[in-house]
Amino acid sequence: EAGVAQSPRYKIIEKRQSVAFWCNPISGHATLYWYQQILGQGPKLLIQFQNNGVVDDSQLPKDRFSAERLKGVDSTLKIQPAKLEDSAVYLCASSPSRVAYEQYFGPGTRLTVT
Amino acid sequence: AQSVTQLDSQVPVFEEAPVELRCNYSSSVSVYLFWYVQYPNQGLQLLLKYLSGSTLVESINGFEAEFNKSQTSFHLRKPSVHISDTAEYFCAVSVGFTGNTPLVFGKGTRLSVIA
Repeated sequence: EAGVAQSPRYKIIEKRQSVAFWCNPISGHATLYWYQQILGQGPKLLIQFQNNGVVDDSQLPKDRFSAERLKGVDSTLKIQPAKLEDSAVYLCASSPSRVAYEQYFGPGTRLTVT
Repeated sequence: AQSVTQLDSQVPVFEEAPVELRCNYSSSVSVYLFWYVQYPNQGLQLLLKYLSGSTLVESINGFEAEFNKSQTSFHLRKPSVHISDTAEYFCAVSVGFTGNTPLVFGKGTRLSVIA
């Protein structure tokens, strides 16, 4: 079974630029999560989708971050414009159900904002 | 709001020695507790979980954790570590009875096993 795929794996941009990350979950997984993991901290949930609907986006900075899940499969997370404090690893995870501990994580995208 | 505290950010230990990674949580309601492991350049993997029942849970690679409700702890232990155990370990909690509430992670403990 293929795991959660993410691209790119690494990205370096200047502040005020835009960036987008892509996630392909495990086939058949209805729930998709995006996390932000700042160096030295644990992952923090940004947004949770159930199929193509948003379940929880309470910690998503909506003035600059946006996310969508097209047709309930792939998802993109966008930052526009980026700030220095957005430097982090962005993790995507998927789950066959809404049960939080059944998540499978992708390898992440490491973003550096200069 | 619930929180998770991992008391040690880094733990160096010699190969074949025992190790304990400490985790405390704060919550006034029932919780599910988890340990995740992150090997270099890989995503997080579930190591073990406590949902209910026996307070001692074990993983397939020799780790165990014990849920202590009175001390609100869920420490991770292994009696003899291997070089391959070098990784970052995250404690996490999900509050409530259904398991649907989001995971809250601690800051992580970097375990370095020295040959």
